[in-house]
Amino acid sequence: DTAVSQTPKYLVTQMGNDKSIKCEQNLGHDTMYWYKQDSKKFLKIMFSYNNKELIINETVPNRFSPKSPDKAHLNLHINSLELGDSAVYFCASSPPSGHTNTEAFFGQGTRLTVV
Amino acid sequence: AQTVTQSQPEMSVQEAETVTLSCTYDTSESDYYLFWYKQPPSRQMILVIRQEAYKQQNATENRFSVNFQKAAKSFSLKISDSQLGDAAMYFCAYRSWRGAQKLVFGQGTRLTINP
Repeated sequence: DTAVSQTPKYLVTQMGNDKSIKCEQNLGHDTMYWYKQDSKKFLKIMFSYNNKELIINETVPNRFSPKSPDKAHLNLHINSLELGDSAVYFCASSPPSGHTNTEAFFGQGTRLTVV
Repeated sequence: AQTVTQSQPEMSVQEAETVTLSCTYDTSESDYYLFWYKQPPSRQMILVIRQEAYKQQNATENRFSVNFQKAAKSFSLKISDSQLGDAAMYFCAYRSWRGAQKLVFGQGTRLTINP
């Protein structure tokens, strides 16, 4: 059973298109995230949701819109894709702070290539 | 804001030997978590080891151990008896005990294992 699954694994698209990445976790966690890993491998938080509510939005362009229909799902929609959006996008989930096991569990990543 | 610094972009070690990866961080908080994640070529983010800041004892997981120096804000990872499967990017990460539930990552260290 995959704990955090995201689809698709690879996405190649043209500039100006709109695309979505889906994420689902079966761990019962309250908090989900989107991270972006750039070409230099640097990982940075984009968004965080807690029980379907947005709690972190780290200066991400408005073209990126996360949506959480329920606490097990967090999707990422990107409008008007640009070359600079090419990266690997990771979905993750974690239990609340204060728990003994508080590490984040990551999906396998989606490699987005904008051409 | 918290920052995490990994000063070694690349490291290499002979198979079966020991290697230490460095990580320093900056925070004004007294309670937090520290993690080491491994990212092999498959791209999957895998938790290697976790340390709670309130615990003085250094965490160990089989061949992996940390040297946690809270006053110095240092959190190094030691890999003993290195194996070919240890080759990967290693990321040090910080998470607050409370408040914003996000991981702040270092820049990563690429570890090569020489047979």
